[in-house]
Amino acid sequence: SQTIHQWPATLVQPVGSPLSLECTVEGTSNPNLYWYRQAAGRGLQLLFYSVGIGQISSEVPQNLSASRPQDRQFILSSKKLLLSDSGFYLCAWSFNYEQYFGPGTRLTVT
Amino acid sequence: GENVEQHPSTLSVQEGDSAVIKCTYSDSASNYFPWYKQELGKRPQLIIDIRSNVGEKKDQRIAVTLNKTAKHFSLHITETQPEDSAVYFCAASPSRDSSYKLIFGSGTRLLVRP
Repeated sequence: SQTIHQWPATLVQPVGSPLSLECTVEGTSNPNLYWYRQAAGRGLQLLFYSVGIGQISSEVPQNLSASRPQDRQFILSSKKLLLSDSGFYLCAWSFNYEQYFGPGTRLTVT
Repeated sequence: GENVEQHPSTLSVQEGDSAVIKCTYSDSASNYFPWYKQELGKRPQLIIDIRSNVGEKKDQRIAVTLNKTAKHFSLHITETQPEDSAVYFCAASPSRDSSYKLIFGSGTRLLVRP
C-alpha cells in the first residue's frame, strides 16, 4: 500500500531564515504530487503541483519554490521566510483523481 | 480559474439529526468532486467522492449528490454522531490535463451535540 511521509513534523524558524520541507511517497510510481498550505482555521490553498520529475507548476506567486528531484520526492523551499509563511504545510499524492495527504508540517515563523 | 464556494461555514446539529453541506463550482469542465474530513490538528481524510457522470453516491451514513446543470454538489450525513464533529471540505477538479489538481472550498465546521 502507499504511504506518504513529511518531515519535519513541526518547525519554528526566524524571519529571514531559509526553509526546506520534504515529502516522500512509498508504494507507487510516477504519482502526481502537490503542496498545500493551510493557515490557522482556514482552508487549503494549492501552492505547487508536479506531474513528473523536474516538472513544477505554481498556482500562487509567492515567497516559496518547489522541486522534484526524484520520482517520489517533493521539496518545498524558501530562501527567506516571512511571518505570513506560517501555517500547516501539507503534501499530497494522487494517481488519477483521488488525492491523499501526508501528516503535514506545522511551521511557525517568529 | 475554478472557484468553489462552500456553505455554511459552521453547522451545529443534535446527535442523530442529519447534516447537509453545500458547494457550488464555477468551471463547467470540472469532473471530479471529493469531500474531505479534517479533525483538529490532523491531515484531511478523503471520505467520499463523485464523478460528473454520476448524480448520487452513498456510503453508509454519508452521501453526495451532484447537479451538473446548476453546478452544485452536497454532502449529506445522516444519524450524526459526536465523532462526526470535524471540519469538512469540498473540492472540484477542473483539470483539462493530467494534473488532477483540486480547488477546495473554505470548509464547514460541523459540531454534533450529544
